[in-house]
Amino acid sequence: LAKTTQPISMDSYEGQEVNITCSHNNIATNDYITWYQQFPSQGPRFIIQGYKTKVTNEVASLFIPADRKSSTLSLPRVSLSDTAVYYCLVGDTDKLIFGTGTRLQVFP
Amino acid sequence: GAVVSQHPSWVICKSGTSVKIECRSLDFQATTMFWYRQFPKQSLMLMATSNEGSKATYEQGVEKDKFLINHASLTLSTLTVTSAHPEDSSFYICSARGTGGDSPLHFGNGTRLTVT
Repeated sequence: LAKTTQPISMDSYEGQEVNITCSHNNIATNDYITWYQQFPSQGPRFIIQGYKTKVTNEVASLFIPADRKSSTLSLPRVSLSDTAVYYCLVGDTDKLIFGTGTRLQVFP
Repeated sequence: GAVVSQHPSWVICKSGTSVKIECRSLDFQATTMFWYRQFPKQSLMLMATSNEGSKATYEQGVEKDKFLINHASLTLSTLTVTSAHPEDSSFYICSARGTGGDSPLHFGNGTRLTVT
């Protein structure tokens, strides 16, 4: 199971773009990269998943370089409600291990 | 999308009693579900893998006799915390993968257990 490393915390202001990078140096060939968002006292919520290059949905973009040893979650124009913990997970099976996550604080 | 429901959302029990937490996949079938525990300000820790129709697989350090898991149907897994103690107070979360080869895991909203 690939281990992930993320910054412990990040601060931003409303309206800014936030990029959270995750390192996963020993990612395996079959591994997908998945990002989750968690608010206090709630279960994690799926944000985006990708395998390579770039993936975009209505809430975020995920950038994955060719070597796949890292990935970057991009949140466009964050708002106060985006204050949460963001987890990067890597794996090819259902058994996903959570790392420490990144605590994003958005200020007005 | 795939929805996972947990019940109850919170429960308070006395030390020594048992508590059952339910995890349901509402709009899909899940042969495998996962149970996590999360302490305040910490990440989720995988406790066990619940397999429909067979025994659960527990992670190292998790007592299988204390945390009983039953996955009797394709849409329901239960976690029973037996003889609960205050140190079992935590946030318990279940998850299941939706249908489709690359479907992500979907999580329930968690159960806050407080043992007094």
